[in-house]
Amino acid sequence: GNSVTQMEGPVTLSEEAFLTINCTYTATGYPSLFWYVQYPGEGLQLLLKATKADDKGSNKGFEATYRKETTSFHLEKGSVQVSDSAVYFCASDSGGGADGLTFGKGTHLIIQP
Amino acid sequence: NAGVTQTPKFRVLKTGQSMTLLCAQDMNHEYMYWYRQDPGMGLRLIHYSVGEGTTAKGEVPDGYNVSRLKKQNFLLGLESAAPSQTSVYFCASSYSKKASSGRDTQYFGPGTRLTVL
Repeated sequence: GNSVTQMEGPVTLSEEAFLTINCTYTATGYPSLFWYVQYPGEGLQLLLKATKADDKGSNKGFEATYRKETTSFHLEKGSVQVSDSAVYFCASDSGGGADGLTFGKGTHLIIQP
Repeated sequence: NAGVTQTPKFRVLKTGQSMTLLCAQDMNHEYMYWYRQDPGMGLRLIHYSVGEGTTAKGEVPDGYNVSRLKKQNFLLGLESAAPSQTSVYFCASSYSKKASSGRDTQYFGPGTRLTVL
């Protein structure tokens, strides 16, 4: 079956620092890849996604590129803000069939002023 | 548009009790999902549905049952709750499963925090 591995936190950065959260996946077929964000006490919100190799997803200053050769989908942001503090989940679908998403364990990001 | 709503937000059960969690969506989505979130485990799929009247098992279905009698509702039932079912439960829905349609994004509800004593 599919699996998603992401760096475990917490990750603590200062405001305006550069952010990278690593994510790698294993899957059969050609999955779509996603980054979701969860703010305290809330459900998950889609941050960005990519549906095929070399696609770049972007939103709110965050970016991630679908790298099939390294089976990776690392999340990056050039200058983080305190408001980016949240838990970030990398996820993949199966590439076929309606069997939901496979999530990584989540990375807790803490941005200090 | 309320999106995806879940009822209740919090619940405490004793071992052996039963309960039903309700998920409702007003986006006319075909697909609906139930996940559980446990510390250090990410989200894991319990059951899902590809349309009214259909259900299927996910990764961790044991101890749960589901029903999709109406397109907008997806119910998750615990017949005899166990402490191992203490978790946060999330419902999600999507138009489609196919990435090529551009409508495969899953929208999540706010979650139900369940404690089984």
